[in-house]
Amino acid sequence: EVQLVESGGGLVQPGGSLRLSCAVSGLTFSNRWMSWVRQAPGKGLEWVGRIKSKTDGETADYIAPVKGRFTVSRDDSKTTVYLQMNSLKTEDTGVYYCTTNSPDDPWGQGTMVTVSA
Amino acid sequence: DIVMTQSPDSLAVSLGERATINCKSSQSVLYSSNNKNYLTWYQQKPGQPPRVLIYWASTRASGVPERFSGGGSGTDFTLTISSLQAEDVAVYYCQQYYGAPLTFGGGTNVEIK
Repeated sequence: EVQLVESGGGLVQPGGSLRLSCAVSGLTFSNRWMSWVRQAPGKGLEWVGRIKSKTDGETADYIAPVKGRFTVSRDDSKTTVYLQMNSLKTEDTGVYYCTTNSPDDPWGQGTMVTVSA
Repeated sequence: DIVMTQSPDSLAVSLGERATINCKSSQSVLYSSNNKNYLTWYQQKPGQPPRVLIYWASTRASGVPERFSGGGSGTDFTLTISSLQAEDVAVYYCQQYYGAPLTFGGGTNVEIK
């Protein structure tokens, strides 16, 4: 059974940092491109960024509002993907989900990030 | 960036009736080398993560009831619920995974009339 379990969310002040983790099991993690998607309270879904597999160069892409502040990384030995979030803003508040590039893989339950003074 | 436009924003349908949601992409999401449309439909109920319903625009995900179907190609797509059930009340999203940034439609809220 494929499982994605996000963790690391919490309350942080504007300008602060958080590191989210997503532990993956039940699939060949090293082959997967991994993405992060967020959802602000009461709003729609927004893709944040992704990291390709090592064989595809392990490069990352991001949406413009987070470029230079967020970094996606992966540890294939731990089958875990990370989202390092720096210089956080109130508009980064929301539930953060990790997903794979296989369109029929399930999503995790997400982890809540609240940026507030 | 590929812009995904869903319509309508909200839809009220009687139990047992058909519901149709539209999704239009600003450029084609059909990859010519494999003739696949890189388009997924999700269902999201309150307090839950999105659930994959349809991928490759028309392939039903495992465990998804047959009343859900996806169609279209290129830039115009539809999600159809052939006979709306009470448990189908949710928000539905389309997403293209043709190229980064992967983008979502704004969502369609489906409720019972």
